[in-house]
Amino acid sequence: NAGVTQTPKFRVLKTGQSMTLLCAQDMNHEYMYWYRQDPGMGLRLIHYSVGEGTTAKGEVPDGYNVSRLKKQNFLLGLESAAPSQTSVYFCASSYRTLYNYGYTFGSGTRLTVV
Amino acid sequence: KQEVTQIPAALSVPEGENLVLNCSFTDSAIYNLQWFRQDPGKGLTSLLLIQSSQREQTSGRLNASLDKSSGRSTLYIAASQPGDSATYLCALRQTDSWGKLQFGAGTQVVVTP
Repeated sequence: NAGVTQTPKFRVLKTGQSMTLLCAQDMNHEYMYWYRQDPGMGLRLIHYSVGEGTTAKGEVPDGYNVSRLKKQNFLLGLESAAPSQTSVYFCASSYRTLYNYGYTFGSGTRLTVV
Repeated sequence: KQEVTQIPAALSVPEGENLVLNCSFTDSAIYNLQWFRQDPGKGLTSLLLIQSSQREQTSGRLNASLDKSSGRSTLYIAASQPGDSATYLCALRQTDSWGKLQFGAGTQVVVTP
């Protein structure tokens, strides 16, 4: 099925460990986004990309890095995990028409940092 | 900075009642507003999109209104069903934002049989 696939779905990290979350889309979308969702706070944008090889900071980028070496993949890295990064991470991709963007979201990665 | 608020945070209604979900925002310079549905363990699904020039959108039992001047949007779900149980999120797209969305915290809805 076409869509956005996030890997892994669950992960427990120890403080200071590093990891990479993978987002893959097969819809040829130009735009990709990483959000985090915390209780009572809604989704907040971490980083986004408007095309292959480009990335930009969102609302809460500190402690994260991203790369978009291939159009279909958007990687989110945590270099040194902290308990404050315990969250559910959502990746989304979108196409753009003249007036609108159409979004597809992944099912999320639940990350716990202990 | 745009602030998006959804009240109430949680809502429980018996089957058949109409649902009214509220979303308010502080900056009226929006391009459009979307309502999403989120089910546990799944991604977000777009329900309705209202352009800034529109006042409402309808799809089946769902109707969403937008009043930019007062910074409010309301999602109405008629004749609720247990399958409507989910979290509903509103999200704004600002102008010139590369498609970035700003979300409210959501309203968790439970429809009891």
